[in-house]
Amino acid sequence: EVQLVQSGAEVKKPGESLKISCKGSGYSFTTYWIGWVRQMPGKGLEWMGIIYPGDSDTRYSPSFQGQVTISADKSISTAYLQWSSLKASDTAMYYCARQSEMATITPAFDFWGQGTLVTVSS
Amino acid sequence: DIQMTQSPSSLSASVGDRVTITCRASQYIRSYINWYQHKPGKAPKLLIYGASSLQSGVPSRFSGSVSGTDFTLTISSLQPEDFATYYCQYSYSTFGPGTKVDVK
Repeated sequence: EVQLVQSGAEVKKPGESLKISCKGSGYSFTTYWIGWVRQMPGKGLEWMGIIYPGDSDTRYSPSFQGQVTISADKSISTAYLQWSSLKASDTAMYYCARQSEMATITPAFDFWGQGTLVTVSS
Repeated sequence: DIQMTQSPSSLSASVGDRVTITCRASQYIRSYINWYQHKPGKAPKLLIYGASSLQSGVPSRFSGSVSGTDFTLTISSLQPEDFATYYCQYSYSTFGPGTKVDVK
């Protein structure tokens, strides 16, 4: 069974650093892209970026480039999303998702983590 | 950067209604569009990929179609469990702003 299990909720202060995780199991972790998606309170889904754990090839949305870092440790089948200096505006739910090449050679997020709620408040 | 728009932003419907949601891309993206259902407190769920292919396990009342840069998600007969927010996605990145389907 494919599973993506994310780390637990975090409460941080502005300026602090944070690294959240997403552990994959039940499939070959190194051969599927893992993406990160943000949902701010009351807002829609935003594509942040994606990583290929096999070689750590990473792509970012222009909106998130330089704001976050996506990484992966293939030895433990885990992807990460990190911030060096959090802002209140980073308060959101963050989802990781596995991207598959579907039957029509279309990439899609077919399995999702349960989400990690990040709250940044002084 | 490809931009996605959706209409309507919200709609009210009753069980049994036919519901249609439209998504438009800012440029030609072939059939590289996916549709997701998202309920509060749950992870999003893939419904349709490649504009019209039904994801495994998704009820056949959901369907997708494409005409040029316009994409449509149709729920043929709305069920109680279908009240949710629906997002289109350009397959390689951007999500649309979402369409909330609630009870009339």
